[in-house]
Amino acid sequence: GAVVSQHPSWVICKSGTSVKIECRSLDFQATTMFWYRQFPKQSLMLMATSNEGSKATYEQGVEKDKFLINHASLTLSTLTVTSAHPEDSSFYICSARGLLAGHGEQYFGPGTRLTVT
Amino acid sequence: AQTVTQSQPEMSVQEAETVTLSCTYDTSESDYYLFWYKQPPSRQMILVIRQEAYKQQNATENRFSVNFQKAAKSFSLKISDSQLGDAAMYFCAYRSTSGSARQLTFGSGTQLTVLP
Repeated sequence: GAVVSQHPSWVICKSGTSVKIECRSLDFQATTMFWYRQFPKQSLMLMATSNEGSKATYEQGVEKDKFLINHASLTLSTLTVTSAHPEDSSFYICSARGLLAGHGEQYFGPGTRLTVT
Repeated sequence: AQTVTQSQPEMSVQEAETVTLSCTYDTSESDYYLFWYKQPPSRQMILVIRQEAYKQQNATENRFSVNFQKAAKSFSLKISDSQLGDAAMYFCAYRSTSGSARQLTFGSGTQLTVLP
């Protein structure tokens, strides 16, 4: 099956710094990538959708200047949390979908736990 | 906009028994996909089963089956012969077949505990 990787799996950063999370589709070309945020015992909240080579579309309430998304290639998308604060601490999950990935299936990465101190 | 509702925040089942998780959704579309995802403690999202709305036959994957009632907009998941490894958070999800993004809309989840 299709595999999506995320790096790092966990990261601790100081308040005010920026952190970048990478999402890669390993065995298929991801025309669309999705970034989610998940708080403990809650559902996944879609932050943004990105298509390769295009600007990301952010969901209402998500600060685009704070959560920078780049989808520069068909196998890589990055999420940069800029000037991170403790309230940005969360679990971030990426998901990728390609034309050949089953019925347009979305495949999920293993997630990245971000802790801002 | 589509909404997905899971009315059971928590469920428990005895090992080897059967449990049914409920899901209802609201949509004005006639063609769409429905999914059940499992999120174990590792937090890796795992696709359990998929149902195309145009198919009347209920999807089945080994011990997992669904009861898809299109008119009632209901999509329940039945887990037979429950195993300890089935313990996880289960999310019901909806996806449109139209539009450019076709993103998933998730329910709030049901935490399933399997008792030995």
